[in-house]
Amino acid sequence: NAGVTQTPKFQVLKTGQSMTLQCAQDMNHNSMYWYRQDPGMGLRLIYYSASEGTTDKGEVPNGYNVSRLNKREFSLRLESAAPSQTSVYFCASNTRARVGSYGYTFGSGTRLTVV
Amino acid sequence: TQLLEQSPQFLSIQEGENLTVYCNSSSVFSSLQWYRQEPGEGPVLLVTVVTGGEVKKLKRLTFQFGDARKDSSLHITAAQPGDTGLYLCAGGAYGQNFVFGPGTRLSVLP
Repeated sequence: NAGVTQTPKFQVLKTGQSMTLQCAQDMNHNSMYWYRQDPGMGLRLIYYSASEGTTDKGEVPNGYNVSRLNKREFSLRLESAAPSQTSVYFCASNTRARVGSYGYTFGSGTRLTVV
Repeated sequence: TQLLEQSPQFLSIQEGENLTVYCNSSSVFSSLQWYRQEPGEGPVLLVTVVTGGEVKKLKRLTFQFGDARKDSSLHITAAQPGDTGLYLCAGGAYGQNFVFGPGTRLSVLP
């Protein structure tokens, strides 16, 4: 089973460049999320989509945009990359039928370096 | 904003030893989850606890949710090198997204 698939796995950008991180899930989950993980800071929520057609800001949304393309796909876009956006990015999905009952399934991450 | 703290931040032990890691908050959660993350991979869900005082066992791992639903612990018996990884706790409250702690990085030496 594929679960959550993220592309690319690695990326180096120059300051000011743009890019889109792709995420797809095949588990028929309603909700999808984008997190960034930095040393000592845990996972911080950037944006989420509780259901197809909706998106909302998380804890650290500045400098990012998202698109919920359909139920399976949720992309994250950096319009003008900055060195502070160097991080590991994870996409996750779950079903929010009952908050607190269902765990997240994570992708394997995208390691982004902005120079 | 709900915050989760985890302790210790780092732990290095010998194979066969027992250990306990902790997850604490000043907030009440409706449920709490534990994940393990290996290098280069995303976190993988180990367990969800939803009832205050609940204890769940997964082979050599024992998870406990505090009576007040503000804290949790993970106990590993006879640790093995395969237990090495970053252990993350995540707390969820009704109507809100889960909040993740910074993690405990465990190294089990053969």
